[in-house]
Amino acid sequence: ETGVTQSPTHLIKTRGQQVTLRCSSQSGHNTVSWYQQALGQGPQFIFQYYREEENGRGNFPPRFSGLQFPNYSSELNVNALELDDSALYLCASSSVRTSGGYEQYFGPGTRLTVT
Amino acid sequence: KQEVTQIPAALSVPEGENLVLNCSFTDSAIYNLQWFRQDPGKGLTSLLLIQSSQREQTSGRLNASLDKSSGRSTLYIAASQPGDSATYLCAVFNDYKLSFGAGTTVTVRA
Repeated sequence: ETGVTQSPTHLIKTRGQQVTLRCSSQSGHNTVSWYQQALGQGPQFIFQYYREEENGRGNFPPRFSGLQFPNYSSELNVNALELDDSALYLCASSSVRTSGGYEQYFGPGTRLTVT
Repeated sequence: KQEVTQIPAALSVPEGENLVLNCSFTDSAIYNLQWFRQDPGKGLTSLLLIQSSQREQTSGRLNASLDKSSGRSTLYIAASQPGDSATYLCAVFNDYKLSFGAGTTVTVRA
């Protein structure tokens, strides 16, 4: 069973540019969530995708957008990058447990630096 | 809005001592609670998941308790080892998302 993978591992961009981060969910999972983790803080929820539709969104501006593909992989796109977007971006895929709870499995993250 | 707090922010103990990490949350309408481990610059590794109807979960040297009515969870790590040095994050699930605390950074001294 393949775990959650993310690419690239590290990325350096300039303020104002656009970036695309990619995530492949764990085998059999159909829900992907994206989180932003600034240094020294806990991750913050960006949005979730379920069957190619956005299923919930955190307190992030519209320049943060996403896609989910038929194979349940996902992209996070950020336009007009700002210095504060520098963070570790984490992707998580969900396993629906028999009791109805959702255990989240996280990927290794993409470290984005905006200069 | 769900607020998750972890105390203490950092902890340093000698090898062999038991660790007690605390987590509190403001909204008791949660689906489940997860404890994660994070090594520097890395992703999150799930340690334990407690459903809202459960009181505790155990895995090896780890035990986590949940008191949903009071909004508290505690992670116990028995007989700590230097390899347990990491940041431990508590997160609660509701409204389609996990809400995280800022974590407790643990250092186990050999």
